[in-house]
Parts: sequence; C-alpha cells; structure tokens
Amino acid sequence: KNEVEQSPQNLTAQEGEFITINCSYSVGISALHWLQQHPGGGIVSLFMLSSGKKKHGRLIATINIQEKHSSLHITASHPRDSAVYICAVARGGADGLTFGKGTHLIIQP
Amino acid sequence: NAGVMQNPRHLVRRRGQEARLRCSPMKGHSHVYWYRQLPEEGLKFMVYLQKENIIDESGMPKERFSAEFPKEGPSILRIQQVVRGDSAAYFCASSPQGGGRDEQYFGPGTRLTVT
Repeated sequence: KNEVEQSPQNLTAQEGEFITINCSYSVGISALHWLQQHPGGGIVSLFMLSSGKKKHGRLIATINIQEKHSSLHITASHPRDSAVYICAVARGGADGLTFGKGTHLIIQP
Repeated sequence: NAGVMQNPRHLVRRRGQEARLRCSPMKGHSHVYWYRQLPEEGLKFMVYLQKENIIDESGMPKERFSAEFPKEGPSILRIQQVVRGDSAAYFCASSPQGGGRDEQYFGPGTRLTVT
C-alpha cells in the first residue's frame, strides 16, 4: 500500500463545476503539499499545509491531521484548470517529499 | 527573482554514455532536492543536498548515480553508463531552509531519453 493515496485517479467535469480531490496518508508528517503539473510541463506548488485550511483564488486546501486526510477543492472550474494534481507529504525526520500518484483532471468547456 | 533553473531541458544519450543534469536553485536557497518521474509513474525522491553536503540520499540508486552541490555553482546529478530505464523526467526543487515545513520550488525539469 502506498504511503500517500489520492482519489480519484481520473476526473472529468464540466466547466463551472465544484471539484474535490482527496488525499490520504499513512505516515507521520510535518507538512502536506499540493502541486500542479501540466502535460509535459513543470511542477507548480499550490499549497503547503500543516493544519487547518488555506485559500488562494478559486483553490482551497484543507487538512485533518487526526484523520490523516487532505482535500483540494476548485470552485467555478475552468478548462485551464486541466492538469495533474499531486499530493505530497514531508515526513517528520525526512526532508524529501513522498508523492501520491496524482489526479488527472480534465475540465470540459 | 529568477526561479529554479535546470539545464538542459532535454537530453538524449546513448546507452553507456554519461548524463549530467544541472540545477541552479532560487537565489538565497541553500537546500536542493532531486526527484525522478518515470513514464506513467509518480514522482520519487532521490537525494537532498545542502551546500557541499549530501543530507539524505536514501532514494538514489546505489550504482551509477551521484549528486553534488558545490560551494559555488549549480547542483549536479550525474548518471554514469546510462541505460534505457534511466529515461525519465528529472526535477530539482529548492527551499530556503529545509526541514520538511519549508515550501519547495520546482524547476522545469530535464527530460532524459536514453536510446
């Protein structure tokens, strides 16, 4: 079993829909990261969380440390949001990130 | 403030040759991480370095791979005697302080193709 599990693996939605991507982890962490990767492109850091909730524009990220679970929400989704969204954790005592396999999101116009 | 720079962006090597991948961290960042993304797979941690020191190389293959981050100049990931299985995207990231609670800034990646 992977230490970081994401769901769904693939998600197709219509423009304007509210999107939720989930991440569960099984190890102790010092922080959780949400990343975005466009096809053939680089990786952009969206959020780093150690507790609570963060919001940036149409993106919201939450984390529940007790349940070892985080969610990434996109409000009023747009085709330009189409990308792979990756959850990653920084484990206590180690500095390299451990990654989920990513969620492939397609927003159709 | 320029972001994390990686070069080359694309690298083609024949089996048995050496590959050198370079990473210049963001200005003021002294912590560098290397990650590998194999085709159709997720990202995997390889190595974490501070200036002149390897802090954690638990993700590095034991043979043919090495990394350095000298006092001056970029961090280098070196792959000797490349094989087809080394074909992947290699990303580096930098952070100002390290320690797990630090945001990491990623470079654009180097796509290595071994023929």
